[in-house]
Amino acid sequence: QLQLQESGPGLVKPSETLSLTCTVSGGSISSSSYYWGWIRQPPGKGLEWIGSIYYSGSTYYNPSLKSRVTISVDTSKNQFSLKLSSVTAADTAVYYCARRTVTHIFDYWGQGTLVTVSS
Amino acid sequence: QSALTQPASVSGSPGQSITISCTGTSSDVGGYNYVSWYQQHPGKAPKLMIYEVSNRPSGVSNRFSGSKSGNTASLTISGLQAEDEADYYCSSYTSSTHYVFGTGTKVTVL
Repeated sequence: QLQLQESGPGLVKPSETLSLTCTVSGGSISSSSYYWGWIRQPPGKGLEWIGSIYYSGSTYYNPSLKSRVTISVDTSKNQFSLKLSSVTAADTAVYYCARRTVTHIFDYWGQGTLVTVSS
Repeated sequence: QSALTQPASVSGSPGQSITISCTGTSSDVGGYNYVSWYQQHPGKAPKLMIYEVSNRPSGVSNRFSGSKSGNTASLTISGLQAEDEADYYCSSYTSSTHYVFGTGTKVTVL
């Protein structure tokens, strides 16, 4: 059974960089059939797609966040990571990692991790 | 790219059927058959319920069904049960920003 697990600091200071890692178990991140992505949800609000990466390193970002987002992949560790720079309180959210199929389905999700931006 | 429009809340009695709408544009819902629906219980990750407009993943009850007409997709829950009480989000592939989610609908079982 595929499992995804987010990890990283739960508290980040304003203007700093948020960094999260998603560890994939029960399957290979190098599968040609899937992409790997990040989605966030501010407290009490809806979902927002951040971006996705293919095992080869090809990336796709939400234009509204593109200038601040970097997603990378480490196939040797079966992990992919998110960096979001220059964070503000508006970036406070539960961050989910998820697997995305080639037909645009987010079929497996991590449990989510709350990141709070505060001094 | 604005979020897809969903009603804030929908309610029904046990056994009844309810329908949640998801309205977008010709650049997302209307332009592709890549509409998905997710169920989210409080404090939990979203769970895929419907993909490609009307397909159910293995393990999802056949009480859940999806459809699309023009720029509006719909999720119908028939034979409403207490366990169906949750938030529901639609999602669509979009030509502009790749993926957009709906505003979310809170389903209450009376």
